[in-house]
Amino acid sequence: DTEVTQTPKHLVMGMTNKKSLKCEQHMGHRAMYWYKQKAKKPPELMFVYSYEKLSINESVPSRFSPECPNSSLLNLHLHALQPEDSALYLCASSQPGQGTGANVLTFGAGSRLTVL
Amino acid sequence: GEDVEQSLFLSVREGDSSVINCTYTDSSSTYLYWYKQEPGAGLQLLTYIFSNMDMKQDQRLTVLLNKKDKHLSLRIADTQTGDSAIYFCAESIRGGSYIPTFGRGTSLIVHP
Repeated sequence: DTEVTQTPKHLVMGMTNKKSLKCEQHMGHRAMYWYKQKAKKPPELMFVYSYEKLSINESVPSRFSPECPNSSLLNLHLHALQPEDSALYLCASSQPGQGTGANVLTFGAGSRLTVL
Repeated sequence: GEDVEQSLFLSVREGDSSVINCTYTDSSSTYLYWYKQEPGAGLQLLTYIFSNMDMKQDQRLTVLLNKKDKHLSLRIADTQTGDSAIYFCAESIRGGSYIPTFGRGTSLIVHP
């Protein structure tokens, strides 16, 4: 299995809703990432988990809450979002490459979020 | 710091070669990546090269690295309409942060 699976593919939510995005990989990767991507822009890093511990939080607002229940799963809990949070949310995974070599990320297809 | 620059658009005819360019800042011990993103999809790794290499070839793809000018290019031979996508150059520093820094992406449009 060489895939990263993201669900749902599309999500529409109101500003008072609570929802979650889910990501799963079975490649044995120990680093998992959340990126946010707006149209015509590169992916922006939000969070990195390394060996199931949060290692990087790029000053993301607290209305986004990541969770890594185990080495194969990564969730992004959403609460009280704003319309400007509408974007494609990408999950990725890799073998941690700190100081040892290339860090090749495998991306999921993304969850398209629309906040009304 | 890391900074990756790309031109935003490229338009070619089907069957021609495409050359997508990228410049980067850190050079001593760097991995450089090319990712492809089709509309509504995630990013797919095409290839990567370490900064001590000059060239890497994989079927229709050729990566050239000019270390002196910190310039990276991706050449796609015999470009097809299915190659239409956004191509992202990315850089990660060996011994530093291992998180790739992405350029803004080059939108490749292939005309029949």
